[in-house]
Order: sequence, then C-alpha cells, then structure tokens
Amino acid sequence: EAQVTQNPRYLITVTGKKLTVTCSQNMNHEYMSWYRQDPGLGLRQIYYSMNVEVTDKGDVPEGYKVSRKEKRNFPLILESPSPNQTSLYFCASSSSTPTSGRGDTQYFGPGTRLTVL
Amino acid sequence: QKEVEQNSGPLSVPEGAIASLNCTYSDRGSQSFFWYRQYSGKSPELIMFIYSNGDKEDGRFTAQLNKASQYVSLLIRDSQPSDSATYLCAGLPDSWGKLQFGAGTQVVVTP
Repeated sequence: EAQVTQNPRYLITVTGKKLTVTCSQNMNHEYMSWYRQDPGLGLRQIYYSMNVEVTDKGDVPEGYKVSRKEKRNFPLILESPSPNQTSLYFCASSSSTPTSGRGDTQYFGPGTRLTVL
Repeated sequence: QKEVEQNSGPLSVPEGAIASLNCTYSDRGSQSFFWYRQYSGKSPELIMFIYSNGDKEDGRFTAQLNKASQYVSLLIRDSQPSDSATYLCAGLPDSWGKLQFGAGTQVVVTP
C-alpha cells in the first residue's frame, strides 16, 4: 500500500530534550516536505526537499533541522524543543515538485501531535 | 500578513446547493494553486490543481483562477454532507518548492 508513515504519532516531551520525528514514504517520491498545523494558522511549511541531499527552508524553519540522506526518509529534528513548538506535524511527499506544473498529489502522513512542556 | 488568505468560516451550505470558497494571494509571481480538503482529525488530501487563468472542472468541483485580480476560488456543486470539511488553498510563491497555505475555510453542509 502506497503510504507516508510518521513516528511517533503522539509525543509529550519537555523543553530542551532533543527529539526526532521520522517520516518515510514507499512511493519513490522525489519531493518531501514537513508542515506544522496550528489552529487559525493553517498549514505552514517548515522544510522541503526537492530530492536527495537537496533541502530548503519553508516559512517557519527556526528551531528545526532536517536531512535527506535517502530518498524514502525525511526526518524532522528538534534539537532543543520549546513550548511554542507544540503543534500537529505532517510529513508529505509527491512524485514531482509543486513547481513542475503537473499538479501531482502530495500524500500526507497521518500526523504527529507533539506537546512540549 | 499571510501570503495566502481565506475566510475561516464556517460556511454553512444547504445540501444540494453550491458552496463557493475564495482565496486571495499577495505574491503576483505565484503560478500554481492547489485546493486540499481536510476532514476533522485527518490529513489533507488534494482535490484540485490549477495553474492557468480560467476555470477547471473535475466532477462536482470547479476551480477558478484570476491572476490579474490575484484570487482563486473553489465551487462545490450539489453539496453533500460528506463535503463538510475544511478546505485549504495553497500557492507557490516562487519557482522552487515552497508551498504556502491559507488558514482554511470550514464548510458545513446541512441536510
């Protein structure tokens, strides 16, 4: 089954404790992206990756890191989480970049609900 | 100010009527737009993509893009209770991979 998986689905942690949210897709997609969703603010892009080893910042990259060493994986790293990073996080992938003009579907993972105390 | 703006709603629509959702954007360079539907507690799913001025139809959905006026809209014809969801508009402000979403419009279809 074609899917994007995220782990963990739920996480409660404390300020300053490094954490990683994993994201994996089995569709051989080039483009992957991380978003956070907060009430009233919609989805905001954190980082995106056009392909392996190529990543760039979205609108809200502060406090986050990513890496794309393999095509299928795109982990999100919070080196020193803070309460303002409490949010619902989505990973997504698509076979081409949004700018390709093909309008390929972005497949979203199930989301990770993170609470930082 | 957000680059992509939507009315948050809720937009209440009687079953069988047309739901009209609007989205405006500030970056004149934006080329393509996406409409996503998100049910409560679920992940977003793509329902429409448009990059040319004019209308694009897919089943009961019609997307309209007007680059001169910098707005994009979504019409849902013959609205059904299953259309009750939040609809997210997203645009591409540059030629790279950044994607900007509006805050979403909640649609409630009443039987």
